[in-house]
Amino acid sequence: QLVQSGAEVSEPGASVRISCKGSGYSFNRYFVHWVRQAPGRGLEWMAITNPSGGSTNYAQKFQGRVTMTRDMSTNTVYMQLGSLRSDDTAVYYCARGATWTSGWWDYWGQGTLVTVSS
Amino acid sequence: DIQMTQSPSSLSASVGDRVTITCRARQGIGNYLAWYQQKPGKVPELLIYSASTLQSGVPSRFSGSGSGTEFTLTISSLQPEDVATYYCQKYSSAQWTFGQGTKVEIK
Repeated sequence: QLVQSGAEVSEPGASVRISCKGSGYSFNRYFVHWVRQAPGRGLEWMAITNPSGGSTNYAQKFQGRVTMTRDMSTNTVYMQLGSLRSDDTAVYYCARGATWTSGWWDYWGQGTLVTVSS
Repeated sequence: DIQMTQSPSSLSASVGDRVTITCRARQGIGNYLAWYQQKPGKVPELLIYSASTLQSGVPSRFSGSGSGTEFTLTISSLQPEDVATYYCQKYSSAQWTFGQGTKVEIK
């Protein structure tokens, strides 16, 4: 399973960091995606990271604002989103993928609500 | 990036009805398509991958078809627990793109 950190409230211009901890499988053999869902809206892919090597690939929209890190000792990946705006208010999910350039997502985290408000 | 367009955006059907949702890609994506179900207030769940392969544990009333630019998700006999929003997802060329979703309700 994938377990995410709790809800966050941040001010505009600040950064937020969300964690995603994997368990019950070989964490270094799968990739982790991040996707978000604004209130009442659809799903928007943000990035993929390789927990084993640390490489990342970002959707063009988020390049320069998203930073991915990981801690292999705890099977945890982190997604930091900077320069927050009100339209970044959303539920952020991590999800597991099997390949680097393709593939579906078979397990998802429970989601982390990020609220951007002054 | 390849855009995915779902239709309809919402539908209302009776229990036992056959329901069909369409997803179209702006250009061909082979069979690199998945379908997810998101029940109200819940996390999305994988239903179908490779356009037509049913994920383990998913009821057989769900089926997927298509390739290239046009894909279909079919619920053969709608059940009350199928009330949800359904999303198609294209996964190819290191870009993952979702359709805008189809909300399914019971009439």
